[in-house]
Amino acid sequence: RKEVEQDPGPFNVPEGATVAFNCTYSNSASQSFFWYRQDCRKEPKLLMSVYSSGNEDGRFTAQLNRASQYISLLIRDSKLSDSATYLCVVSPLRYSTLTFGKGTMLLVSP
Amino acid sequence: DTAVSQTPKYLVTQMGNDKSIKCEQNLGHDTMYWYKQDSKKFLKIMFSYNNKELIINETVPNRFSPKSPDKAHLNLHINSLELGDSAVYFCASSQPGLDREERQETQYFGPGTRLLVL
Repeated sequence: RKEVEQDPGPFNVPEGATVAFNCTYSNSASQSFFWYRQDCRKEPKLLMSVYSSGNEDGRFTAQLNRASQYISLLIRDSKLSDSATYLCVVSPLRYSTLTFGKGTMLLVSP
Repeated sequence: DTAVSQTPKYLVTQMGNDKSIKCEQNLGHDTMYWYKQDSKKFLKIMFSYNNKELIINETVPNRFSPKSPDKAHLNLHINSLELGDSAVYFCASSQPGLDREERQETQYFGPGTRLLVL
C-alpha cells in the first residue's frame, strides 16, 4: 500500500460547483496533515493545514478521520483559478519528512 | 521579495557532467530541504538540514551531495549526471516550532530547478 494515496483525476467541474478530494495514508503514526496546491510548472504552496477538529478557510474545508486514516478537502463555489493539482501531505514527527501524495488534478471550466 | 530562491531555474547538461544547484532562503528558518519531482510528478524528499547539520538523508545515490555553508543556504552538488537525474529539484525551508496541535511546521518551497540530462 502506498504511503499516501490520492485519486489522480482529473476532476473536471464547472465554475460554481462543489468538489471533494479524498486522501488515505498508511502510517498510523502520522501527526501532521496538510493540503498543498501546485500550479502547472510551479512550486507547491501550502493551501491549509488539517487539524483534528477539521478546519475551514473561506471556500475550503478540510477534515481528518484518524480512525480511517483519511483526509478530505472540500472546495465550494469553484473558481477558474482553483484549477491546479492538490497534494495531500502527511508527516509523523517534527523534523520528519513530509510524504506527498501524487496529487489530484482539478480543472474548473467556465 | 523571494522567500526561497534557487539558481539556476533551468539546467541542461550532458551525461557524466558535474553540476550544482543553489538555494537561499531569507525567512530566517533553521531547516532546509531538497526534494525531487520526477516526470510522474511524484515529489520525494532527498535531504534535510537543520542549522547546517544533516538530519535526514533519504536513499539517494552518493553522487548527490548537499552542502550548507550557513543556515540560509543549502546547495546541491551532483556528480556524474545520469539520464535518470532529469527532474525538477525543489528546495524548501521551515522553522521548527509547534503549532496549536504540536505538529510539523509549514514548509515553503523555492520555484524549482528543471534539470535535463541529455
